[in-house]
Amino acid sequence: GNSVTQMEGPVTLSEEAFLTINCTYTATGYPSLFWYVQYPGEGLQLLLKATKADDKGSNKGFEATYRKETTSFHLEKGSVQVSDSAVYFCALSAGGGSNYKLTFGKGTLLTVNP
Amino acid sequence: ETGVTQSPTHLIKTRGQQVTLRCSSQSGHNTVSWYQQALGQGPQFIFQYYREEENGRGNFPPRFSGLQFPNYSSELNVNALELDDSALYLCASSSQWRGRGYGYTFGSGTRLTVV
Repeated sequence: GNSVTQMEGPVTLSEEAFLTINCTYTATGYPSLFWYVQYPGEGLQLLLKATKADDKGSNKGFEATYRKETTSFHLEKGSVQVSDSAVYFCALSAGGGSNYKLTFGKGTLLTVNP
Repeated sequence: ETGVTQSPTHLIKTRGQQVTLRCSSQSGHNTVSWYQQALGQGPQFIFQYYREEENGRGNFPPRFSGLQFPNYSSELNVNALELDDSALYLCASSSQWRGRGYGYTFGSGTRLTVV
């Protein structure tokens, strides 16, 4: 079946540090890949996405590149801010037909200190 | 455009009881999915509804059931509640015509506590 593996957290960084959160996946076919972010007490927000190999998703300074050869979709940001503190989830969608369910990783808690 | 709204935001139930959670999809979205997020875990897919019919289900027992209404709003029903059902329940909507790469819009969730 489909699965997503994220690096274990928590991750604690100082403001303006470089961020990488690793994500690898196993899926049949050609999945779409996503990063979602969850702020304390809230639901999930779509951060970025990529739908085919070598696509780069980007938003709010975050980037991730769909690497089919390594089945990876690592999240990066060059300079994190305190406001980036949240839980980050890597996810894939590989359903057939009209079934587009998401398979999530376990999440990585990021804390950014001033 | 309006987002996905869920009600109630918090709920406490006793083991063995039944619960109904509600979700209003984002305007223009015809597909709704429900996810269970246990504390410290990623969301787990419960089921999905498209055009008022279930068209996908995760590894959840039949006491988890749902409905989708003609206006694309949805309900999640859980019977015979167990302590392990305590979790954040997330509703997500999407527009099928955009394809699977479009992604879902999530609500803020309902926090269910079973005591």
